[in-house]
Amino acid sequence: KQEVTQIPAALSVPEGENLVLNCSFTDSAIYNLQWFRQDPGKGLTSLLLIQSSQREQTSGRLNASLDKSSGRSTLYIAASQPGDSATYLCAVPYSNYQLIWGAGTKLIIKP
Amino acid sequence: EAQVTQNPRYLITVTGKKLTVTCSQNMNHEYMSWYRQDPGLGLRQIYYSMNVEVTDKGDVPEGYKVSRKEKRNFPLILESPSPNQTSLYFCASSPRLAGVAYEQYFGPGTRLTVT
Repeated sequence: KQEVTQIPAALSVPEGENLVLNCSFTDSAIYNLQWFRQDPGKGLTSLLLIQSSQREQTSGRLNASLDKSSGRSTLYIAASQPGDSATYLCAVPYSNYQLIWGAGTKLIIKP
Repeated sequence: EAQVTQNPRYLITVTGKKLTVTCSQNMNHEYMSWYRQDPGLGLRQIYYSMNVEVTDKGDVPEGYKVSRKEKRNFPLILESPSPNQTSLYFCASSPRLAGVAYEQYFGPGTRLTVT
């Protein structure tokens, strides 16, 4: 069964740094991969969805890449800001209706 | 404003007392889903619905019921809550039948404590 892993579980960096969050999956036959942001008390927000035919998706300071052959996706955050502090989760489908989730990376950006 | 709403946001109850967590979306989405989130276990799907009157079990359906009588509403019912159902619950929706192929919209979450 598909497994999704996110390392590290937590990350603390100074403001302004560029950083990379990692997401690994065991079965490369994925339909897409999604990155989400979770803020306390505010639920989850979809950040980027990469289709299996794509290698990258960009939204503002965020760039997500997908390498199916190695079972990896990375979320690159440029010029980090304190407002980027949140938990970031990745998820992949294993059917038309179900996602498997990573445990998330808790990101703290220090002013 | 396009959104998914959940009520209540916080609930403390006792073992065995039936409760319902409501979920409503105003985006005319066909797909809706319920998740629970627990420390160390991440998000796990409880039930999902592909359309009105069509629901199916997720990974952890035991102890839960759902119904989808209207497109916009997808309530989660705990007939006899137990302490192991203490968790953070999220409702989500998506605009197509193949729900997970498309962007998911999440509610703000309901924190449930069962004593």
